[in-house]
Amino acid sequence: NAGVTQTPKFQVLKTGQSMTLQCAQDMNHEYMSWYRQDPGMGLRLIHYSVGAGITDQGEVPNGYNVSRSTTEDFPLRLLSAAPSQTSVYFCASRVSGAGELFFGEGSRLTVL
Amino acid sequence: QQQVKQSPQSLIVQKGGISIINCAYENTAFDYFPWYQQFPGKGPALLIAIRPDVSEKKEGRFTISFNKSAKQFSLHIMDSQPGDSATYFCAARRAGNQFYFGTGTSLTVIP
Repeated sequence: NAGVTQTPKFQVLKTGQSMTLQCAQDMNHEYMSWYRQDPGMGLRLIHYSVGAGITDQGEVPNGYNVSRSTTEDFPLRLLSAAPSQTSVYFCASRVSGAGELFFGEGSRLTVL
Repeated sequence: QQQVKQSPQSLIVQKGGISIINCAYENTAFDYFPWYQQFPGKGPALLIAIRPDVSEKKEGRFTISFNKSAKQFSLHIMDSQPGDSATYFCAARRAGNQFYFGTGTSLTVIP
């Protein structure tokens, strides 16, 4: 039972580079989301999706793009990385209307 | 603006003691209040949760106390163990889908 799988686990980028963080879940969850975790800031919602083809912005969406073409996958794109995007990123999913969020193990991104 | 305020930032407790973490919120549209536990290098995992129509929920050594009128809720860990050492996040869900998390509490239980 894989749950929520994130890749890569670690990534180092230079300022201005682009990359995609991958997230896949095998629980047939409608709702998927991306959070970033920074010291003293907790978990902040970047973008979320309530189903294939539907996405919306969270608290800190600037600098990030998402799309949801399938139920299983919800990639997060950084178009032009900045040092302020150095963080640990978590993907989470749940059944719409239910309470529990299931998190992946995180992707640690460093932007130099 | 932090939707959910959590305190303390860090907590050190002796083995067998009680750990208490507090959270407060303002938005009355929140309808679900979970606590998540996170170990180093791992993602957060649901520990216990409560809905606003209940004042207390207990699961083993973990208890949530909820005060709707004060817009506060807290996590109590009884008989704290070294294995409980982790970061704890409170959260609140706005009716619909969005979760808002507190800033986290790093708990260390000393043997």
